[in-house]
Amino acid sequence: GQQVMQIPQYQHVQEGEDFTTYCNSSTTLSNIQWYKQRPGGHPVFLIQLVKSGEVKKQKRLTFQFGEAKKNSSLHITATQTTDVGTYFCAARGTNAGKSTFGDGTTLTVKP
Amino acid sequence: DGGITQSPKYLFRKEGQNVTLSCEQNLNHDAMYWYRQDPGQGLRLIYYSQIVNDFQKGDIAEGYSVSREKKESFPLTVTSAQKNPTAFYLCASRGRNYEQYFGPGTRLTVT
Repeated sequence: GQQVMQIPQYQHVQEGEDFTTYCNSSTTLSNIQWYKQRPGGHPVFLIQLVKSGEVKKQKRLTFQFGEAKKNSSLHITATQTTDVGTYFCAARGTNAGKSTFGDGTTLTVKP
Repeated sequence: DGGITQSPKYLFRKEGQNVTLSCEQNLNHDAMYWYRQDPGQGLRLIYYSQIVNDFQKGDIAEGYSVSREKKESFPLTVTSAQKNPTAFYLCASRGRNYEQYFGPGTRLTVT
C-alpha cells in the first residue's frame, strides 16, 4: 500500500526562526493536503496542492508540491508561538477514495 | 452552526465491554471517516464510508465495526475484540475538494 513518510518527527525552534517539514510518498499522488493540530485539539485543514510544482502561500506559510508529485513541504517563516502544534500531510493516490496521513511533525516554539 | 459533532468528549469503559462512539455531521457530505490517534502518533484509518449504506475497512479495522444508515451519522463501535482500545478517536467528513473536516474527537479509556 501507499506509504507516506514525514520528517522530522519533532522540531524545536526559537521564536523568529524558520521551520520546514517534509512529506514523501512512495507513489505518485493525485493531491496532497496539509493539516494543523493544536495540542489537545483536532486536525484542521490548511491547504491542498494538486498540480506538479505547485507553490501556495498563506501569510508566513509556504507549501510546495514536487515536480514528480511524490513529495511536498511546508515552510513557516519567522515562527511565532501561535504556530505550535503538529503538522500533518495527507496524501491521496490516484483512484483512491481515501488519503494516507503522515505521522506528523510536532513544532514547539520557545519565546 | 455547521460541522462535525462527536460525543462524548471523554469515555471510560471496563475491559470486555463494547462501546459506541457517536459522529454526526450537518455538512451534507457523502464521505465520512474514522481515525485512531495514539499519543505522539499520526492518524490511522479505521473505516470509511463514501456513501450511505456502504463502508470499507481502513488500515486497522480489526476489533471495530461501523454502520452508515443515514448520511448524517457514522457511529463507530469498539468491540471487546480490539486489543488496545484506549486512544483518541477522530471522525471526519470530506468536502467536495477532498478536504477533510474533523470533529473534536472522543478520548476513550478502557481499564
